[in-house]
Amino acid sequence: TQLLEQSPQFLSIQEGENLTVYCNSSSVFSSLQWYRQEPGEGPVLLVTVVTGGEVKKLKRLTFQFGDARKDSSLHITAAQPGDTGLYLCAGESSGGSYIPTFGRGTSLIVHP
Amino acid sequence: KAGVTQTPRYLIKTRGQQVTLSCSPISGHRSVSWYQQTPGQGLQFLFEYFSETQRNKGNFPGRFSGRQFSNSRSEMNVSTLELGDSALYLCASSLPGSSEQYFGPGTRLTVT
Repeated sequence: TQLLEQSPQFLSIQEGENLTVYCNSSSVFSSLQWYRQEPGEGPVLLVTVVTGGEVKKLKRLTFQFGDARKDSSLHITAAQPGDTGLYLCAGESSGGSYIPTFGRGTSLIVHP
Repeated sequence: KAGVTQTPRYLIKTRGQQVTLSCSPISGHRSVSWYQQTPGQGLQFLFEYFSETQRNKGNFPGRFSGRQFSNSRSEMNVSTLELGDSALYLCASSLPGSSEQYFGPGTRLTVT
């Protein structure tokens, strides 16, 4: 079973602060996705990274895929209350099933 | 394009009863997956249907079953409900050959 470990589990910060959350595994993934889930809703896809070392930016969010394709990070600059939510990473193995393995998520609260 | 829809949004059932949840995928998406989300276990994969056939299955007991219709709509059924089945049940659709999941808002099931 491939496991994705996310850290930290919980994060509570003030508006305007920067933060980084991590997604780590001992397995190699052919692609990795990040999702954000708000209370009472389903996860929403933010980004997919495919190439080792790849960096993608989505406004104030920066996503990086590790060189060995075993880990990823999400950095948020100048966090806003609207960034509050559960951030989930999901990795697709190279086995071809296209079913991603999800981490347990980082719960982020940004206080105004 | 309309997103993934799930009905009902909320459900309260008694132990021993059975329940059927419904999911309509994004138009053009032929793969539908079901997940169970709980605070303790996170997001766990139940099963995936493609072209009316179950293509992948997670590690859940046989009380959990599903089906897919010719229009790609899917249902999942849980029989002999247990208290531990209380969870958010999420349906996600995806394009062939992609692990990117597009989630519905979920059905919140409470078993009393």
